[in-house]
Amino acid sequence: EPEVTQTPSHQVTQMGQEVILRCVPISNHLYFYWYRQILGQKVEFLVSFYNNEISEKSEIFDDQFSVERPDGSNFTLKIRSTKLEDSAMYFCASSGVTGVYGYTFGSGTRLTVV
Amino acid sequence: DAKTTQPPSMDCAEGRAANLPCNHSTISGNEYVYWYRQIHSQGPQYIIHGLKNNETNEMASLIITEDRKSSTLILPHATLRDTAVYYCIVRVAEIKAAGNKLTFGGGTRVLVKP
Repeated sequence: EPEVTQTPSHQVTQMGQEVILRCVPISNHLYFYWYRQILGQKVEFLVSFYNNEISEKSEIFDDQFSVERPDGSNFTLKIRSTKLEDSAMYFCASSGVTGVYGYTFGSGTRLTVV
Repeated sequence: DAKTTQPPSMDCAEGRAANLPCNHSTISGNEYVYWYRQIHSQGPQYIIHGLKNNETNEMASLIITEDRKSSTLILPHATLRDTAVYYCIVRVAEIKAAGNKLTFGGGTRVLVKP
């Protein structure tokens, strides 16, 4: 079964550093998303991406965050200057042409900011 | 998207059916009911979705009341591996540039006991 692949599985970074979280969505999917989950809290939407541009973003997704699809396969989330409160699991997801069916989520990257 | 209400937790005996309720009294005519689950800290996993008819797949069955104000996810023979947080989400299904996100609530924490 096709999978969404995320790397790395765990990243530790110092406060103020830039991090890039990487995702390889399912190959024929056109819609891409990032979600995050702070330990013990709900899964929160960050951003959706379609046709090489952001289609929707949440209040969390401020100027410190950016997304990119640099080539035909990767989808990245960059945090420019990490803060302690950015520590969370970050999940990438993708969905196909018809939005009726569910997303496929990756297994996540655990980001720890120290 | 309409709000959903789920019990925070429930236990189930291994091998028995698990019936997970969800209330969505403000659901609109063009909104589907989706179910996802999250095992430990893994990425959410799509289970099933429906509009108004009952649905069944290899994982579960979804029963939606006639007025569509509530639904029940049925895991027919729960196993220990079904221990997870189960999320009921209401969402419009058509692909649009905006409004395609999933809004997760607290879900129901299901513990399957031997």
